Amino acid sequence: DGGITQSPKYLFRKEGQNVTLSCEQNLNHDAMYWYRQDPGQGLRLIYYSQIVNDFQKGDIAEGYSVSREKKESFPLTVTSAQKNPTAFYLCASSEAFPYEQYFGPGTRLTVT
Amino acid sequence: QKEVEQNSGPLSVPEGAIASLNCTYSDRGSQSFFWYRQYSGKSPELIMFIYSNGDKEDGRFTAQLNKASQYVSLLIRDSQPSDSATYLCAVNTGNQFYFGTGTSLTVIP
Repeated sequence: DGGITQSPKYLFRKEGQNVTLSCEQNLNHDAMYWYRQDPGQGLRLIYYSQIVNDFQKGDIAEGYSVSREKKESFPLTVTSAQKNPTAFYLCASSEAFPYEQYFGPGTRLTVT
Repeated sequence: QKEVEQNSGPLSVPEGAIASLNCTYSDRGSQSFFWYRQYSGKSPELIMFIYSNGDKEDGRFTAQLNKASQYVSLLIRDSQPSDSATYLCAVNTGNQFYFGTGTSLTVIP
């Protein structure tokens, strides 16, 4: 089955701890993205990457970091500097034009 | 001004009716346009995309694009209770996607 996997599905952390969210795709897509979704709000872009070893900040990159060492993998680290980390985190990937973007199942992060 | 705007709803239609969802966008350079369905607690699922002016049909779904008016719509014919969800409009502009906040649709049996 081709698709995007994210793990874990639910994650609970104490304030002040860094946490890494996993995202893997086997769709052979070049571009990968991280979004967060808060209740009543649209998806907001955190980081995106169009090729291996290269990534760009999105609208809300502060307090987050990423790496793209392999085409298939784009992990997101939520650092202790992120002021409001509790959210639903969505990883996505897309192909070339018309840029159909597909989402993984998401990770729901709760920080207390 | 928001990049992508949608009426938040809620929109209620009876079973079997046509549901009409609308979206406007601000960047005239936008290249492709998407509709996602998102059930509560789940991730968005791509249901339609369009990049040329006009209509595109796929089963009960029709996407309509008018670039001059910067307007995208989604029609759902023969609406079913299983269509009850939030529908997200998304626009690709260069390297990024911009999403509306979604329209909540309820199909009443």
